Amino acid sequence: ETGVTQSPTHLIKTRGQQVTLRCSSQSGHNTVSWYQQALGQGPQFIFQYYREEENGRGNFPPRFSGLQFPNYSSELNVNALELDDSALYLCASVRWGDTGELFFGEGSRLTVL
Amino acid sequence: GEDVEQSLFLSVREGDSSVINCTYTDSSSTYLYWYKQEPGAGLQLLTYIFSNMDMKQDQRLTVLLNKKDKHLSLRIADTQTGDSAIYFCAETLYSSASKIIFGSGTRLSIRP
Repeated sequence: ETGVTQSPTHLIKTRGQQVTLRCSSQSGHNTVSWYQQALGQGPQFIFQYYREEENGRGNFPPRFSGLQFPNYSSELNVNALELDDSALYLCASVRWGDTGELFFGEGSRLTVL
Repeated sequence: GEDVEQSLFLSVREGDSSVINCTYTDSSSTYLYWYKQEPGAGLQLLTYIFSNMDMKQDQRLTVLLNKKDKHLSLRIADTQTGDSAIYFCAETLYSSASKIIFGSGTRLSIRP
């Protein structure tokens, strides 16, 4: 148990729809990051939130957006879903400055048909 | 640039040692990690090493870091069937907090 929880665990959407994925960070962790893991690949960094603001972003288009709330929980929103968005979406939390202890949730598996 | 490379497959006999290798390109890396992923599951942090260390040992796991060659290895002693999984090497920069660059993973299979 990492203390990082994600929901939903699985979901199916159709192309063009929108999806919201949620993450509750481990207690005391003020930084949340999101990753996309396509089948057979390593996770790819999407973005990171610290103090409710995005402060780092990977090579993902603007239709990938996020939020962080005062309790440090976070959402990942993806608009205009494409087939290639099918992947495992992982959330990780850490206390800023404590980078060694970076724990991941179990992920949300998104299938886009 | 940022890149992490590792071989795709490794097969070892049960009871032998497994050594998984990784190379990275960013000399500014501060933390280097090994994560384990079992089928259908999330990422389990196995161990990590700070860039000013050469070695870290934790029970059956030994991590070696050669900063000059930008080479990281994970040795698993007395490999068991439960060690079958994909192992990811990863690096991060301190200033990037939780932005981690992952390799493509090494699939470890155990022969009886």
